[in-house]
Amino acid sequence: EVQLVQSGAEVKEPGESLKISCKGSGYSFTNYWVGWVRQTPGKGLEWMGSIWPGDSDSRYNPSLQGQVTISADKSITTAYLQWSSLRASDTAMYYCATGKDWGRYFDYWGQGTLVTVSS
Amino acid sequence: DIQMTQSPSSVSASVGDRVIITCRASQSISTWLAWYQQKPGKAPKFLIYDASSLQSGVPSRFSGSGSGTDFTLTISSLQPEDFGIYYCQQADSFPRTFGQGTKVEI
Repeated sequence: EVQLVQSGAEVKEPGESLKISCKGSGYSFTNYWVGWVRQTPGKGLEWMGSIWPGDSDSRYNPSLQGQVTISADKSITTAYLQWSSLRASDTAMYYCATGKDWGRYFDYWGQGTLVTVSS
Repeated sequence: DIQMTQSPSSVSASVGDRVIITCRASQSISTWLAWYQQKPGKAPKFLIYDASSLQSGVPSRFSGSGSGTDFTLTISSLQPEDFGIYYCQQADSFPRTFGQGTKVEI
């Protein structure tokens, strides 16, 4: 059974750094893209980027303008999304998902990680 | 970026009704389109890909059609468990983009 298990909810202050995780199991982790999708009430679902854990090749949404970094550690089948300096506008639910069809679609999803950024 | 526009924004229907949701892309995306269902407090669920291919395990009352810029998701006979928000997503180019969602109420 394919499973993606994400790290727990986070409450941070503006300017702090953060790294959230997504552990995959039940499939060949290095042979499927893993994507990150953000959900906010105002902007709906937004694709942030995807990574190929086999060689860490990654694609980003240009709208993020380098605000986040996606990485993966294939030895522990875990993908990461990290920020060096959080903003209040980063408050959202973040989902990871496996990428079917060479990453075109998102077939299996994690349970989500709620990130709240507030002073 | 390719903009995805769904209509209607919400629909209220009865059990057994046929429900049709439309999704329009701002430029041609061939058949590179997916549909997802999301229930409150849950992650989206993958329903349809390549505009009309049903994901394994998804009930056959769900179907998709379309190509180019205009697509539809049809629920042939609405069931109580079909409530939620439905999203389309284009997979033709980066960045991947989603529609704003259609809320289905029973």
